[in-house]
Amino acid sequence: QKEVEQNSGPLSVPEGAIASLNCTYSDRVSQSFFWYRQYSGKSPELIMSIYSNGDKEDGRFTAQLNKASQYVSLLIRDSQPSDSATYLCAVNGPTNAGKSTFGDGTTLTVKP
Amino acid sequence: GAVVSQHPSWVICKSGTSVKIECRSLDFQATTMFWYRQFPKQSLMLMATSNEGSKATYEQGVEKDKFLINHASLTLSTLTVTSAHPEDSSFYICSARDHSNQPQHFGDGTRLSIL
Repeated sequence: QKEVEQNSGPLSVPEGAIASLNCTYSDRVSQSFFWYRQYSGKSPELIMSIYSNGDKEDGRFTAQLNKASQYVSLLIRDSQPSDSATYLCAVNGPTNAGKSTFGDGTTLTVKP
Repeated sequence: GAVVSQHPSWVICKSGTSVKIECRSLDFQATTMFWYRQFPKQSLMLMATSNEGSKATYEQGVEKDKFLINHASLTLSTLTVTSAHPEDSSFYICSARDHSNQPQHFGDGTRLSIL
């Protein structure tokens, strides 16, 4: 079992729809959770950080964290073609030696 | 926001040469920097973790004598690919972070092509 798991996709949604990206993690003591967006041929860029259970909203993005279920998600409202990218989930905790553990990413395509 | 500058953006050089890539945190102190490599359509692969003033910790399978990492200050880390060969051609990305519970901030990456 991978430490951080994401559906590889591709996930395809129509423009204007809500895209839902999911991530599960295995280390129960994980403390910090991040979503990154990576366009093809570019480096990852940070979208959201979340540290406590519940929802955190930033513009069209909402991160949701449920530590009991070891689950973190990213919702993108009013999806735009420019949101088409690979989304990486990353998890920090005391047992991964100070590194972030990244999922393999979910590729999202937003169709006009 | 936290800015990480990585140079050069791309390098093309002959087999056998050494290539140095710089990674700088511009507006925060990077106690930890990370070096990744990514092949086309593949996941990020962590190569090494470096803490300021300490030797880098390399991931399994990464040759420390081939990929020399220096993190001499809180704002600068360098990766030197020594005696580069075509199989070293890849997209190299650095990231930096100040505290362990904070996110990593990535540089723009260096595309390395060895002829």
